[in-house]
Amino acid sequence: QVQLVQSGAEMKKPGASVKVSCKASGYTFTGYYMQWVRQAPGQGLEWMGWINTSDGGTNYAQKFQGRVTMTRDTSISTAYMELSSLRSDDTAVYYCTRDLRENWVTTFEYWGQGSLVTVSS
Amino acid sequence: EIVLTQSPDILSLSPGERATLSCRASQSLSSSYLAWYQQNPGQAPRLLIYGTSNRATGIPDRFSGSGSGTDFTLTISRLEPEDFAVFYCQQYSSSPRTFGQGTKLEIK
Repeated sequence: QVQLVQSGAEMKKPGASVKVSCKASGYTFTGYYMQWVRQAPGQGLEWMGWINTSDGGTNYAQKFQGRVTMTRDTSISTAYMELSSLRSDDTAVYYCTRDLRENWVTTFEYWGQGSLVTVSS
Repeated sequence: EIVLTQSPDILSLSPGERATLSCRASQSLSSSYLAWYQQNPGQAPRLLIYGTSNRATGIPDRFSGSGSGTDFTLTISRLEPEDFAVFYCQQYSSSPRTFGQGTKLEIK
């Protein structure tokens, strides 16, 4: 069965960076795009971008351009999302999601359990 | 950017009743690339519907989606106790992907 297991909660100071990992199992890692979505406390869902796990190509939401970097390590079926220059309003649960369709960017079928990132001085 | 507006914000119903949730897009969605998600407190969202009307794997047939262009609907034919949650619509017609603000379905 498909599983996405994310790294644990992090507490960071403003201006720092955070790197969240997402280990995939139960399917061919390079066959599906990985997308990242975040959710601030008590708020809605916000798309951050995607990574083509096959060739490493990325597409980021304009809001995060210059601050977010999505990478992957195919040898260990793991995707990463790094966010820099953290601010207090980056406090959120960050989710990795596996795409619905193989080799295509569509919507989010499988979700990780979420990683809480807290930004506070 | 496509803005999705859901209505109502809160829907109060009883188990056994029919629920109708709406999602309006600021511009027409190509190929009806509209999905619905259900989220329970403290959990990750769950995909219910994709492509406007296709149920995701394992989703009961009391959930159905319809619509086209800019107006979409999620219908739950007969509410079960486990259906009370927050529901989000999401478009994948264009980038950036966007979500509606959510509709909270609560027990009356």
